[in-house]
Amino acid sequence: NAGVTQTPKFRVLKTGQSMTLLCAQDMNHEYMYWYRQDPGMGLRLIHYSVGEGTTAKGEVPDGYNVSRLKKQNFLLGLESAAPSQTSVYFCASSDGGAKNIQYFGAGTRLSVL
Amino acid sequence: DQQVKQNSPSLSVQEGRISILNCDYTNSMFDYFLWYKKYPAEGPTFLISISSIKDKNEDGRFTVFLNKSAKHLSLHIVPSQPGDSAVYFCAARYFGNEKLTFGTGTRLTIIP
Repeated sequence: NAGVTQTPKFRVLKTGQSMTLLCAQDMNHEYMYWYRQDPGMGLRLIHYSVGEGTTAKGEVPDGYNVSRLKKQNFLLGLESAAPSQTSVYFCASSDGGAKNIQYFGAGTRLSVL
Repeated sequence: DQQVKQNSPSLSVQEGRISILNCDYTNSMFDYFLWYKKYPAEGPTFLISISSIKDKNEDGRFTVFLNKSAKHLSLHIVPSQPGDSAVYFCAARYFGNEKLTFGTGTRLTIIP
């Protein structure tokens, strides 16, 4: 049972380059989320989705775009990477039930030089 | 505006003793609280939760206490084991909101 899978695990970009982070879940969850984790800042929500074809902004959406074309996949794009986007990115999914517990992937460590 | 606060960035506890991790919140609309545990190079994993209609929830060695009047919750780990060394995040949400608000985390180190 894979749960939530993130690819790639590590990436180094130069300023101005673009890339897409992929999140896939096999739990048939409706909700999916993208977070970034920075030292001393905890987990901050970038974008989220409450179902296939929907997306919404979180706390820190600037510089990122997302798409949810399939229920099981949630893509996070950086169109023009900046050093401030150096971070660890986590994807999560949940079933949207009463407890709405989120299950996380292992993370993607991104460095922008 | 940090709505969920973990004021202790780190905590060291002797193996076998009790670990107490604290969390404060400011939004009185929060009605469900969760604790997540995170090991290095892994994603956070759900540990235990509590609804605002309760003041205590136990699961094995882990107990979460909620004091609504003080807007404070705590996680107790008894007895502490070396495998408990990790970063612990508290999180909160309110009914109908699909988002979680996370604290900044507390790094717990269990000393053998």
